[in-house]
Amino acid sequence: KAGVTQTPRYLIKTRGQQVTLSCSPISGHRSVSWYQQTPGQGLQFLFEYFSETQRNKGNFPGRFSGRQFSNSRSEMNVSTLELGDSALYLCASRAGGNQPQHFGDGTRLSIL
Amino acid sequence: AQSVSQHNHHVILSEAASLELGCNYSYGGTVNLFWYVQYPGQHLQLLLKYFSGDPLVKGIKGFEAEFIKSKFSFNLRKPSVQWSDTAEYFCAVNPGGSYIPTFGRGTSLIVHP
Repeated sequence: KAGVTQTPRYLIKTRGQQVTLSCSPISGHRSVSWYQQTPGQGLQFLFEYFSETQRNKGNFPGRFSGRQFSNSRSEMNVSTLELGDSALYLCASRAGGNQPQHFGDGTRLSIL
Repeated sequence: AQSVSQHNHHVILSEAASLELGCNYSYGGTVNLFWYVQYPGQHLQLLLKYFSGDPLVKGIKGFEAEFIKSKFSFNLRKPSVQWSDTAEYFCAVNPGGSYIPTFGRGTSLIVHP
């Protein structure tokens, strides 16, 4: 069974630009969550999508948005990039209920 | 707000030493508890989980954790670490009724051969 796939693995952008990250969950998993991982803050929850609907949202500004498609694939968009957005962005999928998250390798975003 | 505290940010051990990583949470109700591990260059993976029942939970690679409800703790232990245990370890807590885990900031473990 293929794991969670995130693309691209690495991205370099400049301030003010926008970026879109992609996540394909494990087959059959309908819940997809996004996290921001930084050395100082650990994993910070961004949002969760389930059946194309945002079900939960963390404390991030509106520049961070996402969506989920009918095949459960999800995208995350960050607009007007800031230096502080440099981080590893992780996607996780879950079978449902309180089952554990399965994580992808992440997208390393660097802002110059 | 729900919070998860991992008291040890960096731990350095020699092989065969015993390991205990602390995890405390602030939520007072029913919780589901997890430990995840992130090996260098790899994705986060589940080490073990606790939902209910026996508070001593055994996971992969010889790890175990004990849920002590009165102390709001879920400490991770391993009797004898190996060099290959070098990794970052994250504790995560789902408060009852929520499917979104809150993660601790992680503990970086370095094991010297």
